[in-house]
Amino acid sequence: AQSVTQLGSHVSVSEGALVLLRCNYSSSVPPYLFWYVQYPNQGLQLLLKYTSAATLVKGINGFEAEFKKSETSFHLTKPSAHMSDAAEYFCAVTVWGGSYIPTFGRGTSLIVHP
Amino acid sequence: EAGVTQSPTHLIKTRGQQATLRCSPISGHTSVYWYQQALGLGLQFLLWYDEGEERNRGNFPPRFSGRQFPNYSSELNVNALELEDSALYLCASSLLTSGANVLTFGAGSRLTVL
Repeated sequence: AQSVTQLGSHVSVSEGALVLLRCNYSSSVPPYLFWYVQYPNQGLQLLLKYTSAATLVKGINGFEAEFKKSETSFHLTKPSAHMSDAAEYFCAVTVWGGSYIPTFGRGTSLIVHP
Repeated sequence: EAGVTQSPTHLIKTRGQQATLRCSPISGHTSVYWYQQALGLGLQFLLWYDEGEERNRGNFPPRFSGRQFPNYSSELNVNALELEDSALYLCASSLLTSGANVLTFGAGSRLTVL
């Protein structure tokens, strides 16, 4: 069975600073990996996804993530944080040939200070 | 195009009562997923429906049940409510094509059990 672990339930950064949200996955077969964002009082929306086409994936709002098989990681980064980036971020995994049900991490709350 | 809609937005019940939550997927999407988002626990998979059939269920007791209608809308029923059922219930839909399918989420129904 697949799983994801998000390190850090809260990450605090200053506006303009680098954002780094960590996600490690566990899967015995090639994974598909996703990052979703949840703004207050809203559902989740897709930021980006990895489907084996390229290891560096660019998403919306300036976010990107790099798939590193050797480290079983899919960390999310953004060079410069904006106040509007404050939200809950979820990493998720599905696997090739498996069920189509994404398994989500527990989420990381990004706090952006002025 | 209308997104995934959920109703009601908020629901307050007492222990032992039943709750019914409803979801309308994006037009053309045949798969509906239900997740429970309890504080600090991330998203826990509840149920997956596709083409009117229950395809999979998560590790929840049988008092959590649901169905999918011919128009692909879905409802989630929770019987014999317990305090720990208090959570945000998220519905998502997808056009199931592969393990890389992206889920589109509704804003959720917040259930409070007193």
